[in-house]
Amino acid sequence: DAGVIQSPRHEVTEMGQEVTLRCKPISGHNSLFWYRQTMMRGLELLIYFNNNVPIDDSGMPEDRFSAKMPNASFSTLKIQPSEPRDSAVYFCASSSSGRNIQYFGAGTRLSVL
Amino acid sequence: AQSVTQPDIHITVSEGASLELRCNYSYGATPYLFWYVQSPGQGLQLLLKYFSGDTLVQGIKGFEAEFKRSQSSFNLRKPSVHWSDAAEYFCAVAPNNAGNMLTFGGGTRLMVKP
Repeated sequence: DAGVIQSPRHEVTEMGQEVTLRCKPISGHNSLFWYRQTMMRGLELLIYFNNNVPIDDSGMPEDRFSAKMPNASFSTLKIQPSEPRDSAVYFCASSSSGRNIQYFGAGTRLSVL
Repeated sequence: AQSVTQPDIHITVSEGASLELRCNYSYGATPYLFWYVQSPGQGLQLLLKYFSGDTLVQGIKGFEAEFKRSQSSFNLRKPSVHWSDAAEYFCAVAPNNAGNMLTFGGGTRLMVKP
């Protein structure tokens, strides 16, 4: 299996622009997670989907962030408008329900200038 | 709410020396426990996990961890560190039910001296 695939690996954008991060989970996994990693705050869970349905989005920082999972093989995390404080590495992870083992993608490093 | 504490932010060991990374958790029941490793520029990779049974669990890359219920700890160990072990290590817990959500500790950055 190719593992969890994230794109792009790096994104540099200007403040105010829309940013879309993409994730393809491992085939057969039905849970998907978006995390943000910064030096100051460490790893933070942003949102969690189960069977394509958002279960817990309490970690989404504010309305500028939105996430969708239109099908079992694709998810997006969108930031609109982006701000410099959104600069971080964003990880996607997937797991099989009941297995409690999350498999992580390589991450997207976002820089907002 | 559950929480995970990794008391050591940075640790430096010499190559060939033994290693122990500490992890303490706070949770009402015995959770599922995990150690992940993150190499620079990479995502997190699962090293090992504890669900139940034998409290000493073996993982990949020669790592092991011991669950101690009385101390609410799940410390990671390796008898002889290699330079390639330099990375950041994260302890995580999940409720021991069907839920998949993990709570991560703040991480410990390991540096290995030649």
